[in-house]
Amino acid sequence: EVELVESGGGLVQPGGSLRLSCVASGFTFSSYTMNWVRQAPGKGLEWVSNISSTSSAIHYADSVKGRFTISRDNAKKSVYFQMNSLRADDTAVYYCAKCGGGWCQFFDYWGQGSLVTVSS
Amino acid sequence: EIVLTQSPGTLSLSPGDRATLSCRASQTVSSTDLAWYQQKPGQAPRLLIYGSSSRATGIPDRISGSGSGTDFTLTISRLEPEDFAVYYCQQYGGFPTHSFGQGTKLEIK
Repeated sequence: EVELVESGGGLVQPGGSLRLSCVASGFTFSSYTMNWVRQAPGKGLEWVSNISSTSSAIHYADSVKGRFTISRDNAKKSVYFQMNSLRADDTAVYYCAKCGGGWCQFFDYWGQGSLVTVSS
Repeated sequence: EIVLTQSPGTLSLSPGDRATLSCRASQTVSSTDLAWYQQKPGQAPRLLIYGSSSRATGIPDRISGSGSGTDFTLTISRLEPEDFAVYYCQQYGGFPTHSFGQGTKLEIK
């Protein structure tokens, strides 16, 4: 059974930093691109970043580019999201999601989410 | 950037009814690149449909997807109590871009 478990969320002041982690199980982690998708309170879904299986290709949405960094450790079956210079509009539940399809056309498995609250 | 517009914003129906949810794209989307998700309160999204019409693992056949070009539809033929949730369409605009519609809330009438 595929499982994705996020951790690391919490309350942080504007301008602060936080690091999210996602541990995977139930599939060959090292073969798949992984994503972070966020959802602000009461709002819709926003893709924010992904990282290829070998970390050779990394991409970000414009909303987080230059502030957030995605990384992975295939030996630990984990993907990370370092979030710096946090702003109030970064407040959201952050989901780790596994790519599906040959070109990552969709997200076939999601974690339960980790809430990040940016507030003074 | 392709924008997805879902309609209606809220759909009020009764168990046993047929639900038809629409997703319209601002530009042509390949049929292979359109997916649908269900999200219940406090839960992560769950993949329902990928490639416009292929059901994900464990999804019952009363849930179906169709469409092409700029117009896509999610149909639930006979609503069960567990179907009342928010539904999102999502398109893949060429690696790495992914975008979602704003969602349709399916509520009990």
